[in-house]
Amino acid sequence: KNQVEQSPQSLIILEGKNCTLQCNYTVSPFSNLRWYKQDTGRGPVSLTIMTFSENTKSNGRYTATLDADTKQSSLHITASQLSDSASYICVVSDDYKLSFGAGTTVTVRA
Amino acid sequence: KAGVTQTPRYLIKTRGQQVTLSCSPISGHRSVSWYQQTPGQGLQFLFEYFSETQRNKGNFPGRFSGRQFSNSRSEMNVSTLELGDSALYLCASSLAQSGRGYTQYFGPGTRLTVL
Repeated sequence: KNQVEQSPQSLIILEGKNCTLQCNYTVSPFSNLRWYKQDTGRGPVSLTIMTFSENTKSNGRYTATLDADTKQSSLHITASQLSDSASYICVVSDDYKLSFGAGTTVTVRA
Repeated sequence: KAGVTQTPRYLIKTRGQQVTLSCSPISGHRSVSWYQQTPGQGLQFLFEYFSETQRNKGNFPGRFSGRQFSNSRSEMNVSTLELGDSALYLCASSLAQSGRGYTQYFGPGTRLTVL
């Protein structure tokens, strides 16, 4: 069964600090991995999409890494801002179907 | 370019009723996917339509159905509503089938409350 597990479930960080979110998956075959940001009450917004051959991808202060061998991905947020407070969802595709993680809720405090 | 639009944004229904939600994808997008989101369950995939055909379906009962029109607009219908159907229903559009690396663009969602 394809699964996507994210950790931690939630975290609180101070404004200006960095943080890293983890995503482990068992999806096979692997096609691509995405990270979404979802603000409260809004639809998710795509941050990055990575295929098998990509190890790192950045979108502003967000950097995603992928290790397809160990089936792990991480999302690093640099110099966090209050607007980074959101849920971050890891999604893995087998080229046919998307499997969603439960998300990590990030709270940035001033 | 206009984003994904969903109507209505909020809906209150009673148990046993049925409801139809609408989604208009970004112009040129041919794939529309529907998701249910509840606080305890996260995002749950309902179904995906591409070129008017259902390409994929999640593990939801037959009370949940959908369709896609020739202009790519999609509707989702839930019959015989239950209290547990209260959720945020999101639709997402992409150029082609969502699994193939195309960016999905989500709408703002329809908040359904079943009393």
